[in-house]
Amino acid sequence: GAVVSQHPSWVICKSGTSVKIECRSLDFQATTMFWYRQFPKQSLMLMATSNEGSKATYEQGVEKDKFLINHASLTLSTLTVTSAHPEDSSFYICSARTVKDEKLFFGSGTQLSVL
Amino acid sequence: QKEVEQDPGPLSVPEGAIVSLNCTYSNSAFQYFMWYRQYSRKGPELLMYTYSSGNKEDGRFTAQVDKSSKYISLFIRDSQPSDSATYLCAMSPLNAGKSTFGDGTTLTVKP
Repeated sequence: GAVVSQHPSWVICKSGTSVKIECRSLDFQATTMFWYRQFPKQSLMLMATSNEGSKATYEQGVEKDKFLINHASLTLSTLTVTSAHPEDSSFYICSARTVKDEKLFFGSGTQLSVL
Repeated sequence: QKEVEQDPGPLSVPEGAIVSLNCTYSNSAFQYFMWYRQYSRKGPELLMYTYSSGNKEDGRFTAQVDKSSKYISLFIRDSQPSDSATYLCAMSPLNAGKSTFGDGTTLTVKP
């Protein structure tokens, strides 16, 4: 299957700082990438849909000024958590969809802990 | 009512058992059906992908889709302790719409 690389796998930061998470499709081009948040023992919660070259589409209740998404190329999308607070601590996962057959492949996730 | 309902579990079976994981859906627009396996604190891994009614087999895994009943299943034969994980069903419409996920079923296979 296709490979999606997500970095970092975990990050600890102080309250008020910003954190950037990268999501790369290594062996395919992805015009669409997705960002999710997942709390322990819960399913994936879609945060936003990221389309290459255009603004991201955010799900209801997700603050676009807090969670900045950039999809500047066909293989890279970034999520920046701005002015992070302890309530932003969570597991963040990205996915990328193949153009050819619309399969969805996931990154390995990033555990964010805000102190 | 959710668009996708997944049998909640948790499910605990002895090694070697046949496991059945199930999801129902209400949106007739769904055309792509996927099953993912997720280990704790890891991203989901695509196990099965299909877009037609019927069965699709891959090793010990069989995905079954019944579009007329809006029901999909994943069967795991000869289950192994390494199959212990959370399984997520997912569906998406034609024309690159976003996928909708079930809430997941946690499976434990006991040696």
